Parts: sequence; structure tokens; C-alpha cells
Amino acid sequence: DGGITQSPKYLFRKEGQNVTLSCEQNLNHDAMYWYRQDPGQGLRLIYYSQIVNDFQKGDIAEGYSVSREKKESFPLTVTSAQKNPTAFYLCASSGWTAYNEQFFGPGTRLTVL
Amino acid sequence: AQRVTQPEKLLSVFKGAPVELKCNYSYSGSPELFWYVQYSRQRLQLLLRHISRESIKGFTADLNKGETSFHLKKPFAQEEDSAMYYCALGGGSNYKLTFGKGTLLTVNP
Repeated sequence: DGGITQSPKYLFRKEGQNVTLSCEQNLNHDAMYWYRQDPGQGLRLIYYSQIVNDFQKGDIAEGYSVSREKKESFPLTVTSAQKNPTAFYLCASSGWTAYNEQFFGPGTRLTVL
Repeated sequence: AQRVTQPEKLLSVFKGAPVELKCNYSYSGSPELFWYVQYSRQRLQLLLRHISRESIKGFTADLNKGETSFHLKKPFAQEEDSAMYYCALGGGSNYKLTFGKGTLLTVNP
């Protein structure tokens, strides 16, 4: 079940600490995305990247940061400025044309204690 | 602004009954509509997209631009259809998707 991987599966951190979630894909996709999934809220877009060294804020970017130094990798940092970081985080990738399917990773569940 | 509304958080039907999961959207341009599904302990995955007009696992969805809807339908629900279903809207030049809040479908035996 390769394609797009996320690590770790579970992550625990103390309040006030930054934490970085990993997302890697071997699908040769240009676009990558980070979503946050909360019960009753659906998926909300945090950041997305169309090409290497470029990324845009999604709907809930405050308190998060990303980088896209390589096509295969799109790590997400949850900073101490994020007021409610405990959530399930999903990474996805897709080709960069219309109607393209987004492929999702297995997710990382972050719990801030 | 793009918006997707799935009015039902929960939907419960019996096996063999018809099922319809509602999705309404708001978008001023030409929409691209998708249904994604998340089965228990599996990844979120694409179920179908309006442009392909195909039937996947017996599910169909028709884009109704007049009613701005993209309801997902299946004539005879199966227990394995139990899952969380998300309607998603794309459009414009950036190809990002806006997801609805999801509907949890339970098909009872």
C-alpha cells in the first residue's frame, strides 16, 4: 500500500512544542495537500503546493507552516501558535490537471497534552 | 467562494433499501464534483466524479446545475456500503477541493 505515506501514525506532544508531520509520495504527483479532519467538520484544507518551492495557504493555515523542497515531500509543522492542534491530519497528492483524483495518506493523529 | 453542504450527518438504512446521500454546492464558476468515501480503517478514496458519468459499486451521481446538487444514489444498499461519504467541489485554476462535512452511512442487516 505505497503511493503516499505519512509518519508517524500517532504523535503525542506537550503544549507549546512545535511538531513536524511527515508526508512522502512516490506517485510523481506535482500537487500535494494537507487537510485537518475533525469529527463533524469534514476535511479542511490547511496548505497546498502546486510545484516545488511554492505553496499556498488553505482555509485554516494559521498556526501551521509547510515546506516543499522536494517533489516527493511536503512536511507540515504544527506550531505552538495553533490554538487547538489535537486532530487527525491527512496528506494528499494529485496530478496538476483538472478532474484529477487526490490520493490520500493513512493520516497522523496528533494529540497535544 | 466555494461551499459544499451535506445536510445529513448520519444516515441509516436497511440492506436492500435505496439510499440517497445529499450534496448541494455553491460556486459561481463551472463546478467539478466528486464523491470520496472512507471505509472503516481504510484511507479516504475517490468513489466517483461527475465528469466520468460512471457507476462505481452501484453508486451513481448526477450533477444538477439548476438545483446545484450532486446527490449520490444507490438502488439497493449493501452492508459493505457502510462508510463515511464526502462530497467535494473543485473549480478554477488551482484545482483544490472543498469538502463537505460528510455523511456517515450505516446499512443495517
